[in-house]
Order: sequence, then C-alpha cells, then structure tokens
Amino acid sequence: EVQLVESGGGLVQPGGSLRLSCAASGFNFNTYTMNWVRQAPGKGLEWVSSISGGGDSTNYAASVKGRFIISRDNSKNTLYLQMNRLRVEDTAVYYCVKDVPTWGSAFDIWGQGTVVTVSS
Amino acid sequence: DIQMTQSPSTLSASVGGRVTITCRASQSISSWLAWYQQKPGKAPKLLIYEASSLQSGVPSRFSGSGSGTEFTLTISSLQPDDFATYYCQQYNSYSLTFGGGTKVEIK
Repeated sequence: EVQLVESGGGLVQPGGSLRLSCAASGFNFNTYTMNWVRQAPGKGLEWVSSISGGGDSTNYAASVKGRFIISRDNSKNTLYLQMNRLRVEDTAVYYCVKDVPTWGSAFDIWGQGTVVTVSS
Repeated sequence: DIQMTQSPSTLSASVGGRVTITCRASQSISSWLAWYQQKPGKAPKLLIYEASSLQSGVPSRFSGSGSGTEFTLTISSLQPDDFATYYCQQYNSYSLTFGGGTKVEIK
C-alpha cells in the first residue's frame, strides 16, 4: 500500500524552528518529486515546496523562501521540511504529497497531515 | 505567479443534479491542471489531472475539460458523497498555485 506518514508538528513560538518528517512506503521513493502543501485553519491549500527525486532540484513558495529548507534521504525513504524563523501565519496543517507518475506536479498521494501552531 | 480563480465559491445543489465548477488561470497553462476534492478534516483527493484525465478509482460522473486559461469540473449526477470542497491547481510552472475552492452544499 502506498503511504505517506508525517510527523514533527507541534506548538512553537514565533521565531522558533521545527523539522517535519514524512515517511514514505509502497513506491519507489527516489523516482518521484515530493512536495509539502499546507492549509491554514479554515483556509485553502497552499503549495510550500518541492524537491526532485534525486534531491538536486528544489523550489519554494515566496512566502517561505529563505526560511524553510526541503530535503530528502532516499536511503530512508523520508522527506523533510526544516522550518526556521517561524511566523504566526505559518500556522497550518502540513501535508506531505507525492507527484503523479505522469509528467508534472499533480498530487496523487497525500499524507494525513501534521499540525504546526506558531503562537506565543 | 499564475493566479487561479475558481467560481462560484459556494454552490447549492440537489442529489442527482448536474454541477459545473469553473477555474480560470491568469495566463495559459496548457492542460497542466488538476482537480481535488476535500472533505472536512481529511486530506485532499486527486480527481482529475492534465485537465481531463480521470484518476484511477474516481467515479466516471466526474469529468474535466478545458485548456489554456479556462477549465471546468463537471459532476454529472451529484451523489451524497460528493458534498465537499473542490480545488483546482495549476502545475504548468512554479510557484504551483491552487484556486480558492468551491464548496458544494446540499440544496
């Protein structure tokens, strides 16, 4: 069964850091671009970041560029999101998401999400 | 960034009815558009990719059409399980962007 399981969410103060992890199983992890997508409470979906299968190419939303770092360990089938200098507006459910097998970043597999709350 | 505009933001429909949701891109995205369904407290589910390709396991009452800047998602005969929020997403170029969502409510 194809599965993505996020962990690492929690409550953090503004300016703090947090690292999210996503454990993947059931597919050839190293052949797929992986992504993080977030959803603030009561709001819509926002793409955060993407990383290529080999980890050599990354992209970020303007709202997180320079503060967040996406990475992956293909030997452990795990995706990461290092979040630094967190802001109140980063409060959201963070989803780990897999690209479709065909070209392009449509997202066919989603994790259950992990909640990040930034508050003093 | 490419802006995605969905309409309407909310619609009320009856079971068995036909539903059409529109998504417009601020510039051409060819056919690089996906549609998702999201229910409260759950992760989104992919319905359509490449504007009109039905994701495996998705009922055939869902269909997508369009190219360039204008796209539609149609539900041919609304079922009780279809009451949810629907999002479009462009993946023609980074930054990837989603529409604001359309909530389909029971009439």
